[in-house]
Amino acid sequence: SQKIEQNSEALNIQEGKTATLTCNYTNYSPAYLQWYRQDPGRGPVFLLLIRENEKEKRKERLKVTFDTTLKQSLFHITASQPADSATYLCALWMDSSYKLIFGSGTRLLVRP
Amino acid sequence: GAVVSQHPSWVICKSGTSVKIECRSLDFQATTMFWYRQFPKQSLMLMATSNEGSKATYEQGVEKDKFLINHASLTLSTLTVTSAHPEDSSFYICSARDRQVLGSYEQYFGPGTRLTVT
Repeated sequence: SQKIEQNSEALNIQEGKTATLTCNYTNYSPAYLQWYRQDPGRGPVFLLLIRENEKEKRKERLKVTFDTTLKQSLFHITASQPADSATYLCALWMDSSYKLIFGSGTRLLVRP
Repeated sequence: GAVVSQHPSWVICKSGTSVKIECRSLDFQATTMFWYRQFPKQSLMLMATSNEGSKATYEQGVEKDKFLINHASLTLSTLTVTSAHPEDSSFYICSARDRQVLGSYEQYFGPGTRLTVT
């Protein structure tokens, strides 16, 4: 079956540390992968997109890696801040079906 | 730029009534809009894809006669939940893609609508 897995348990880290979130998928061949941030009671906000032929993408304190062999993406937030506390969703875009498929998200808590 | 609004942000209705949710792209034109629903602590589940001027494409298991989608213009799509039941209570989120940006795969999401059916 097709699955997108993100850690269901919250990630709790100290301010200033690097947060690393994982997204694993099976039985998908995505054209690209996206990461979104979602705050409680709000819609997702786009953060980064990485294509299947890219290994790494950076934007300010954010870094995403994409390994299509392992079928895994890692999302890093360096120098984390309490304001980074939110749920982070990974999503796969499927060219074959013209759909964005979401993982269930990982909640990040950054302690001051 | 690239703002998507939804109205209302929350609604409470009685069982058996219908509710309409609007999704607007405020500063861009969207050929395609998507409707999702999200239950607490769960993922966003795609309900349907709507293209301006044509019928929506519904995901498997989503009743098209219950969740009516109309994409009347390049900036407006509506979702009507007909004969709502308590199990329809959820967080409904729309998203849109900018038709002007070639090769753009970014989707812009609305703030969501919380529907509670009593």
